[in-house]
Order: sequence, then C-alpha cells, then structure tokens
Amino acid sequence: DIVMTQSPDSLAVSLGERATINCKSSQSVLYSSNNKNYLAWYQQKPGQPPKLLIYWASTRESGVPDRFSGSGSGTDFTLTISSLQAEDVAVYYCQQYYSTPPTFTFGPGTKVDIK
Amino acid sequence: EVQLVESGGGVVRPGGSLRLSCAASGFTFDDYGMSWVRQAPGKGLEWVSGINWNGGSTGYADSVKGRFTISRDNAKNSLYLQMNSLRAEDTALYHCARDGEYCSGGSCFRAFDIWGQGTMVTVSS
Repeated sequence: DIVMTQSPDSLAVSLGERATINCKSSQSVLYSSNNKNYLAWYQQKPGQPPKLLIYWASTRESGVPDRFSGSGSGTDFTLTISSLQAEDVAVYYCQQYYSTPPTFTFGPGTKVDIK
Repeated sequence: EVQLVESGGGVVRPGGSLRLSCAASGFTFDDYGMSWVRQAPGKGLEWVSGINWNGGSTGYADSVKGRFTISRDNAKNSLYLQMNSLRAEDTALYHCARDGEYCSGGSCFRAFDIWGQGTMVTVSS
C-alpha cells in the first residue's frame, strides 16, 4: 500500500509571505502511460468539507487563486502559497490515486496559521 | 447548484448497524463515480469506499472491507453506505464526495471535486 507523509505538521507564516508544504509518497505516483502524477491537494477550513485545489500535482482546479501552485514529480511534491492571505488559514492534504484496484490515500495534513 | 447532502448518521452501539444516504443534485449523477470519505474527530481524511457510475465496480479501504457495503440508485440520484459490525474506531464525520475524473492519454486520475457537509456517526456503548 502507498503511504503518504507530509511535512511540516504545522507552520505559521506572516501575511503576504510564502508558505511551503511538502508531501512524499512511498511509491512513485507518476504514470508512464501519460506522464502525469496522480496527486491532488485539498484545503480544509475549520467546519467545512475539503476543497480540491490542485490535481495532476500542478494543475489548479477552476476558480482556485493563482497564489496556489503545485510542483514535484514521482515521490516528492510541494504545495506553495506564494503570498499568504488570512483566508488561507486551513489544513492542507495531499492525496494519491491508484487505479488497480481503485484506492485513494491521503496524507496526514499540514495546518497553516498566521504568524 | 451542485450539491451533496448526507443523512442517516447517529449514535449506535458497538456491533450495531447504520445506513447512510447521500442525495445528489445539480449534476448528472450517473455520469460520475462516487465515494465516502470519513474524518474522525480532530483527525485527517480517510477514504472509505467508492463506486463507479453504474454500481458495477466498488472498492473499500481495508479497515472496512467485509463490514461496509456501498451502493447507489441512479434513478433516485442517491448514494448509500450500509455499515455493519460497527466499532468505536468507525466514529467519524462521513462525507459523500464526487469522483472527478481527469483524463489524459487514455488514463484517468480521480480526485474528489465536490463534497457534502457530512453526517456524524458515533459508535459508543
């Protein structure tokens, strides 16, 4: 089974500064058939369900602000918030998808706060 | 408006059963696979089970395999989760989620693009 880890567990960043979250997969999630990384990022604000931010490791979902960006390939991935806003306070999760059999695995989450 | 609304949660004793429902609206339900994702109080997200568009293919997390059964009724735009032999560790907020499909080169990645608010299940004696 693929295991997802995230670092740090939490971080506090000043408004307008950069926040960086790391996600690591125990196995590569790069599919050679289409050269896509099967990794997504979600944002969960307090009292709300998660919201999909990024899929294929780096493609923003429609409507997601461009201060959110994803990068990485294979087993190591990063979510970057280029200029932290107050409304970005949330827990962020990475998620991988394996197609055979279909399974989804989430990382443990990273909490982002304002310093 | 695209919406998922869960119901059926409650308090149940260990070993008991519960059936969750999810009502979908605002999109063509039978165009999508669907999943249940749970979140224990103060904890992270755990995929529980998924089903393809016509119910012909299902999947389960190892933690619930043999105890939970996912199903759907496309005529009613509804998703279900039958939960049997419930344990204290099944206590969680259960979210219904739509499987968004992102395809390239004949292969598709699935992520959860629409979520419901969830229904709380508490297993306690």
